[in-house]
Amino acid sequence: DAEITQSPRHKITETGRQVTLACHQTWNHNNMFWYRQDLGHGLRLIHYSYGVQDTNKGEVSDGYSVSRSNTEDLPLTLESAASSQTSVYFCASSEGQGNTGELFFGEGSRLTVL
Amino acid sequence: GEDVEQSLFLSVREGDSSVINCTYTDSSSTYLYWYKQEPGAGLQLLTYIFSNMDMKQDQRLTVLLNKKDKHLSLRIADTQTGDSAIYFCAESLSGGYNKLIFGAGTRLAVHP
Repeated sequence: DAEITQSPRHKITETGRQVTLACHQTWNHNNMFWYRQDLGHGLRLIHYSYGVQDTNKGEVSDGYSVSRSNTEDLPLTLESAASSQTSVYFCASSEGQGNTGELFFGEGSRLTVL
Repeated sequence: GEDVEQSLFLSVREGDSSVINCTYTDSSSTYLYWYKQEPGAGLQLLTYIFSNMDMKQDQRLTVLLNKKDKHLSLRIADTQTGDSAIYFCAESLSGGYNKLIFGAGTRLAVHP
C-alpha cells in the first residue's frame, strides 16, 4: 500500500544545532507540505512544494528550509534550532489540481529543542 | 488574512449528538474539510463539502455550510467513545490548489 512516512518520530536536540526531518511518500503525489502543530494554534503551514524543484514559503517559514529533488521526498531542515521550534511536525501530500484536495498525513515527528 | 476559527473543547454524553462549529474567511474556497486526529497519530480526512453545497450527509456525519456567514458545522449523531479525538476544520485557499488552512482543532470528549 502507498504511504507517507516521517523520520525520526522523536528527536531531542540542542539550541543551535542543524536538524533535518525526513518525509517520504510512495503515492507519486506532486504536492507535499510541512505543518507544525502547537497547542492552541492548530496546524500552521511551514513550506510546501507543487513538484520537483518547486518550493514555497508558508505562514511560519522563518528558520526552516526545504528542498525537492525528487517526487517522493521533501526533507525539512532547521538550520539553527531554537527552543521556539519545539513542536510536532507533520508532513502531508496530495494529488495535483482538479481533485478534492485531500491531504494524506504522516504520523508526525516530535522535536524537542533544549 | 486567512483565518479559520473553532472552539477548542466539547464534551458530550455517549449516544448524544455532537456539533462542532467553524468559521472561515476565504469566501472563494472550493472545498471545506473536516479532519480527525486520534492521539499520537496524524490527521485523517473525515469528510469534505464542495462550496456549492449546503449540506452533506455521510452515515452518522452531517456537514452544514452557510456561505453567507462563512460558517461550517459537523454533526456527529449517536456519538460513541471512539469518536473522542481532535477535529480540525480546514479551508482550501483560492489560487493555491490543495493549500489548506486549518483551525486550531476542537477536542471532543465523549463520556458515559
